[in-house]
Amino acid sequence: DAGVIQSPRHEVTEMGQEVTLRCKPISGHDYLFWYRQTMMRGLELLIYFNNNVPIDDSGMPEDRFSAKMPNASFSTLKIQPSEPRDSAVYFCATAQYTEAFFGQGTRLTVV
Amino acid sequence: DQQVKQNSPSLSVQEGRISILNCDYTNSMFDYFLWYKKYPAEGPTFLISISSIKDKNEDGRFTVFLNKSAKHLSLHIVPSQPGDSAVYFCAATVMKTSYDKVIFGPGTSLSVIP
Repeated sequence: DAGVIQSPRHEVTEMGQEVTLRCKPISGHDYLFWYRQTMMRGLELLIYFNNNVPIDDSGMPEDRFSAKMPNASFSTLKIQPSEPRDSAVYFCATAQYTEAFFGQGTRLTVV
Repeated sequence: DQQVKQNSPSLSVQEGRISILNCDYTNSMFDYFLWYKKYPAEGPTFLISISSIKDKNEDGRFTVFLNKSAKHLSLHIVPSQPGDSAVYFCAATVMKTSYDKVIFGPGTSLSVIP
């Protein structure tokens, strides 16, 4: 397995634009997590899914953020409209038992 | 309020010496703890974990110690190598019958000086 695959690796967008981050989980992993990493707050859990169903989205900062998992092999995190303070590295991770496996992240810059 | 704290943002250690990374947590419900290592431009990778029924877990050069009464854990790397230079995240979760959300600390950047 190629591991967790995220795209794009880098995204630069203008404030107010819609941004969609994509994640392909490891096959067979039941859990999928979206994290955001910033200097100030480290790795924050935004939302996680179990068997494609959102379990806890309490970490989603605002209504501008939404996440979907339409099937077991794909998830998206959307920000609409984007703001400069959304600039961060966004990680997708998947897990089956205990430890989670992370993708390489998407570095988002909103100017 | 951060439930998992790593109060040292950075640490420098000489090659061959011991690196000790500390982590404190506030939620007494946490019963499973993990350490992840992250290199620049890569995602975090799992390093070592410990269950609350243990106070020590060892894997090669890496040992994690857990002090439940103090709500404190530490990661020891002996001997430290330049390749260990990375950001280390402490994480904690509540292991019930299924996977629960993992809370990460802010990370400690370790530099091992040759």
